[in-house]
Amino acid sequence: NAGVTQTPKFQVLKTGQSMTLQCAQDMNHEYMSWYRQDPGMGLRLIHYSVGAGITDQGEVPNGYNVSRSTTEDFPLRLLSAAPSQTSVYFCASRERTSSRTEAFFGQGTRLTVV
Amino acid sequence: AQKITQTQPGMFVQEKEAVTLDCTYDTSDPSYGLFWYKQPSSGEMIFLIYQGSYDQQNATEGRYSLNFQKARKSANLVISASQLGDSAMYFCAMREGWDDKIIFGKGTRLHILP
Repeated sequence: NAGVTQTPKFQVLKTGQSMTLQCAQDMNHEYMSWYRQDPGMGLRLIHYSVGAGITDQGEVPNGYNVSRSTTEDFPLRLLSAAPSQTSVYFCASRERTSSRTEAFFGQGTRLTVV
Repeated sequence: AQKITQTQPGMFVQEKEAVTLDCTYDTSDPSYGLFWYKQPSSGEMIFLIYQGSYDQQNATEGRYSLNFQKARKSANLVISASQLGDSAMYFCAMREGWDDKIIFGKGTRLHILP
């Protein structure tokens, strides 16, 4: 199994550009989420989804959009990139069948906005 | 208010010594789960251990154990006989009630000295 796959691994954007960070999982997990990691801030939840067609906001949703059309994919869109969105982004998924299941993470996307 | 507090930004420990990483949490829900993750310098997120609020015993996984003190709302990670490979960032995280999302603390960077 590939687990959680994020693309791209690295990206440089100019301020105002848009882009989509891709996330796909092959574990049939209903729950998927996006985090950003900044120095000294830990991982902060951006958006999450508990199934196809269902999304909700996390701690820091502003400037980001998500959609969930399939169980496997959960893309994160930056409509107009800002330098404050320079960060490492992680996608994660988990089973919902048990409260004890951990989240599985992708390898991360390092995004720089100049 | 922070849901997860990790008060030690950084720690230096001699190899082979035991390490305790602190984590306190804030929730009014009687049902919750606590997770610890390790992030080595390569960047991936590695799940270490889980403790449920109703678990009768403290969780253990190999050299990792969780010192769960419910009344104090603390869930400290204990690493026995530390190794150089334990040098990493460690994150404490929580999931509350029926909520699927997992919220992380800011992390503790652990340095193991030879």
